[in-house]
Amino acid sequence: DAKTTQPNSMESNEEEPVHLPCNHSTISGTDYIHWYRQLPSQGPEYVIHGLTSNVNNRMASLAIAEDRKSSTLILHRATLRDAAVYYCIMKVSSNTGKLIFGQGTTLQVKP
Amino acid sequence: ETGVTQSPTHLIKTRGQQVTLRCSSQSGHNTVSWYQQALGQGPQFIFQYYREEENGRGNFPPRFSGLQFPNYSSELNVNALELDDSALYLCASSSPAGGVNNEQFFGPGTRLTVL
Repeated sequence: DAKTTQPNSMESNEEEPVHLPCNHSTISGTDYIHWYRQLPSQGPEYVIHGLTSNVNNRMASLAIAEDRKSSTLILHRATLRDAAVYYCIMKVSSNTGKLIFGQGTTLQVKP
Repeated sequence: ETGVTQSPTHLIKTRGQQVTLRCSSQSGHNTVSWYQQALGQGPQFIFQYYREEENGRGNFPPRFSGLQFPNYSSELNVNALELDDSALYLCASSSPAGGVNNEQFFGPGTRLTVL
């Protein structure tokens, strides 16, 4: 399974954009890039995913490098409720669809 | 539409005992995955069940076993509990089993403490 590298922690001010980076240099051509987040005392929740093109949804945007060796999750206006651990995950095209979580990035949002 | 539910919320056991954790999948989902999350770590994949059959397993010993029922709910059983089994156990449902485009919906977890 492809390995991901994320910073351990990041800080942001409320209502400012946040860019969460992820390196995945060993990604294969068919691996999808998924992002999940885990709020305190909750299970992880899906944020966004993509393959090659940049993606947008109501929660965030995902910018994928042209060589696919890195990606960035963008929260356009951070709120206090966005404080969580963010996981970047390579999802392989196997028949299990299992998620391989790394350590993730702990995002702190300051008022 | 109800989400993924897990029971119990918390559980305390002693070393050597056996435990059963339960999960009800989200309506319409036929696949359930189980994860173990130690304190300060990311979740680790235990196994997945699809249509009542095990459909993939992580690096966990045989004393971790599971079941899936016809209504797609699931149980995780752990025998001969060890202190290192203390963790948050997460259940996630999805449909169908392996799609790389499918998101998984997680429950709130069961906190197991082994003394």
